[in-house]
Amino acid sequence: DGGITQSPKYLFRKEGQNVTLSCEQNLNHDAMYWYRQDPGQGLRLIYYSQIVNDFQKGDIAEGYSVSREKKESFPLTVTSAQKNPTAFYLCASSPRGSEGNQPQHFGDGTRLSIL
Amino acid sequence: GQNIDQPTEMTATEGAIVQINCTYQTSGFNGLFWYQQHAGEAPTFLSYNVLDGLEEKGRFSSFLSRSKGYSYLLLKELQMKDSASYLCAVNFNDYKLSFGAGTTVTVRA
Repeated sequence: DGGITQSPKYLFRKEGQNVTLSCEQNLNHDAMYWYRQDPGQGLRLIYYSQIVNDFQKGDIAEGYSVSREKKESFPLTVTSAQKNPTAFYLCASSPRGSEGNQPQHFGDGTRLSIL
Repeated sequence: GQNIDQPTEMTATEGAIVQINCTYQTSGFNGLFWYQQHAGEAPTFLSYNVLDGLEEKGRFSSFLSRSKGYSYLLLKELQMKDSASYLCAVNFNDYKLSFGAGTTVTVRA
């Protein structure tokens, strides 16, 4: 079945450590997104990519980095510069429909915690 | 992001109807999505509105008034499995979505 796979489901980070969250999709979608979800807050956009080898910062990109070397993959690295990384991270993808009218499809998320 | 407001919590009885309101800034509006999210799970797409009026999908309906910057999601014949968070998300003239904080709906027997 087509879908979006995020791994790992749970991740723990030590102080000063970089960690990478995986996101793979087999929906043949051009656009991919990374969101952060904190309790009581809406999803906040970290980075997004509309096409391979191109990506843009979202609203809260500081302390994060991404790459888009393949259409299917959009990994997110949480760097040591991100001082409050504990959150639920969601990856999403969508077709590049006209005027952004295509719904985004989400992965099951990765829950990141500080050790 | 743009201000998208929705109530934090709502409680209703099984079999009843609940209406979740969402208001947003009208400038640059280009479409509104509703998602359902069970605790610890991925959001799933429920509905999309870009023109004024009501979109009906089984027990769920969504309404939009572009001039008022207002939408609602109507859940009819509530079931226990409808207990979840409902997210309002707006597209403002680009490929990004701005999300509200979500409304947690609790269905009681």
